[in-house]
Amino acid sequence: GENVEQHPSTLSVQEGDSAVIKCTYSDSASNYFPWYKQELGKRPQLIIDIRSNVGEKKDQRIAVTLNKTAKHFSLHITETQPEDSAVYFCAASRAWGTAGGGADGLTFGKGTHLIIQP
Amino acid sequence: DGGITQSPKYLFRKEGQNVTLSCEQNLNHDAMYWYRQDPGQGLRLIYYSQIVNDFQKGDIAEGYSVSREKKESFPLTVTSAQKNPTAFYLCASSSLVEGSGKTTDTQYFGPGTRLTVL
Repeated sequence: GENVEQHPSTLSVQEGDSAVIKCTYSDSASNYFPWYKQELGKRPQLIIDIRSNVGEKKDQRIAVTLNKTAKHFSLHITETQPEDSAVYFCAASRAWGTAGGGADGLTFGKGTHLIIQP
Repeated sequence: DGGITQSPKYLFRKEGQNVTLSCEQNLNHDAMYWYRQDPGQGLRLIYYSQIVNDFQKGDIAEGYSVSREKKESFPLTVTSAQKNPTAFYLCASSSLVEGSGKTTDTQYFGPGTRLTVL
């Protein structure tokens, strides 16, 4: 099955600086890669996702890059703000409609606790 | 997210008892999922269902059971066979196919149930 590794487990950055979180996956058939943000005691919220036919995707201060050959993908947050403090999870799966796939559920990394220092 | 509800928010169980966690969605989503989250860990897939009256085991199905009698509902039973049931349980759903015919894999999470075994 799929295995997703996420680093670092904790990341502390100064407000206004950039933060980068990295994930690797093992199953070359995985083609859907979402990122979730979870605040303490709350549900995970999707912040951005990318499919394997795209190398990069950006949404305001957040971007995700994907390297299929190396099987790794990264989350980039620029101009960090205090409200960015949370735990971030990467995940991987085979997308619905993919041969051998079909909404089989996500495999998550163990999370990165992002701390924004004022 | 607002269309997925889980109840109860907190649940206490004595050892040896079965308990059932409720998950309901009014988003007309096809697929539903159950994940377990332990402190400092990512989410792990317990069971998932892509269609009514059908479901598949995830990575950690032992000690759990589910049913999918209605599209809107996907209850999870934690049985006495589950050795370490204390955890945060999250239900999710996804539509699989948008109205435009495009596939979508976005999973939306419910608010979660925190189960504690006494």
